[in-house]
Amino acid sequence: EPEVTQTPSHQVTQMGQEVILRCVPISNHLYFYWYRQILGQKVEFLVSFYNNEISEKSEIFDDQFSVERPDGSNFTLKIRSTKLEDSAMYFCASSDWVSGNTIYFGEGSWLTVV
Amino acid sequence: KQEVTQIPAALSVPEGENLVLNCSFTDSAIYNLQWFRQDPGKGLTSLLLIQSSQREQTSGRLNASLDKSSGRSTLYIAASQPGDSATYLCALNTGGGADGLTFGKGTHLIIQP
Repeated sequence: EPEVTQTPSHQVTQMGQEVILRCVPISNHLYFYWYRQILGQKVEFLVSFYNNEISEKSEIFDDQFSVERPDGSNFTLKIRSTKLEDSAMYFCASSDWVSGNTIYFGEGSWLTVV
Repeated sequence: KQEVTQIPAALSVPEGENLVLNCSFTDSAIYNLQWFRQDPGKGLTSLLLIQSSQREQTSGRLNASLDKSSGRSTLYIAASQPGDSATYLCALNTGGGADGLTFGKGTHLIIQP
């Protein structure tokens, strides 16, 4: 069964550093998303991406964050100047819309900022 | 702003019982509702998707219902098994493909062997 894959599974970074989280969405999907889950809290929407541009973003997704689809398969989330409160699990997801917009999630990238 | 609440927050039952997990939402103008399963430290696995025009969906031992007018959805698990132990999340889509899902905090389910 096709799946969304994410790398790295876990990353530890120093406060103030930049991190890039990578995702390979399911190949025929059109919508791509990033979500985050701070430990013990709800899963929160960050951004959606369609047709090579941002479609929607939440208030969390400020200038510290950016997304990119550098080639035909990868989808990245860049976090600049990381803060302690950026420590969370970051999930990539994708959807083909055709199936009624079932959204498929990756296994997540656990980011620890120290 | 859409708010999603899941009750109970945690549930522990013996194996074999049928059980119901509840999800309530404040804004009935939804596009669809999706139930997910999350195992500790893992990603989210989609279980069932209910479109706004539908009343229920079934997959194996799982049945999800949707009542938009009352702002409620339930996930029914029949003949529970220890492998069903996980956190179950309810998530709403209010606008279509580009819109993000709004999640509840989940119900942490433990099935005792």
